[in-house]
Amino acid sequence: DIQMTQSPSSLSASVGDRVTITCRASRGIGNSLAWYQQKPGKAPKLLLYAASTLESGVPSRFSGSGSGTAFTLTISSLQPEDFATYFCQQYYNTPSWFGQGTKVEIK
Amino acid sequence: EVQLLESGGGLVQPGGSLRLSCVASGFTFNSYAMAWVRQAPGKGLDWVSGVSGNGGGRDYADSAKGRFTISRDNSKRTLYLQMNSLRAEDTAVYYCAKGVVVAPNGYFDYWGQGTQVTVSS
Repeated sequence: DIQMTQSPSSLSASVGDRVTITCRASRGIGNSLAWYQQKPGKAPKLLLYAASTLESGVPSRFSGSGSGTAFTLTISSLQPEDFATYFCQQYYNTPSWFGQGTKVEIK
Repeated sequence: EVQLLESGGGLVQPGGSLRLSCVASGFTFNSYAMAWVRQAPGKGLDWVSGVSGNGGGRDYADSAKGRFTISRDNSKRTLYLQMNSLRAEDTAVYYCAKGVVVAPNGYFDYWGQGTQVTVSS
């Protein structure tokens, strides 16, 4: 199995801040990585796939980068609606594990 | 509009069984893999099982192997998860998720609202 490790597990930030979340795979997955946003009581929402491709309708302040084993999600200017938990997911093979999540909280 | 509507969750005793269903609409159901992903209270997302578009390819997390069976009825546009020998650690919200390719290894572009499964005596 390919394990995914996200860091940090939580962070506090202010509106307008630049935020970066890291995801590492236990072995190379090429660019087979997706990022999701989840708000309390709601289903996850797809943000990016293929490590850096923005899903339709997702604001351009979200971006992704990386390949192989190291990936990042960046929010260029945090907005009030961005306070949520973010998960990475490898889909290189099954089982298609998720990272443990990063909770972005208001400072 | 893509919609995924799960049902079948509830309270069950340890060792019991449940069958979850997910009715899909708004897309060509048999062209896409489907999966079940669960989330225990206050925890992260756990991939449970996935099935290919034609139902021929299935895979399971180790925690589900031998106890859970994923299936789909493309004529009814419905995904299922038969869960047997349930344990307390299976307590979670179970989400149905639509894949983006016909094979089970893909990301998910649509999710259902989830159905709660609680395993407790």
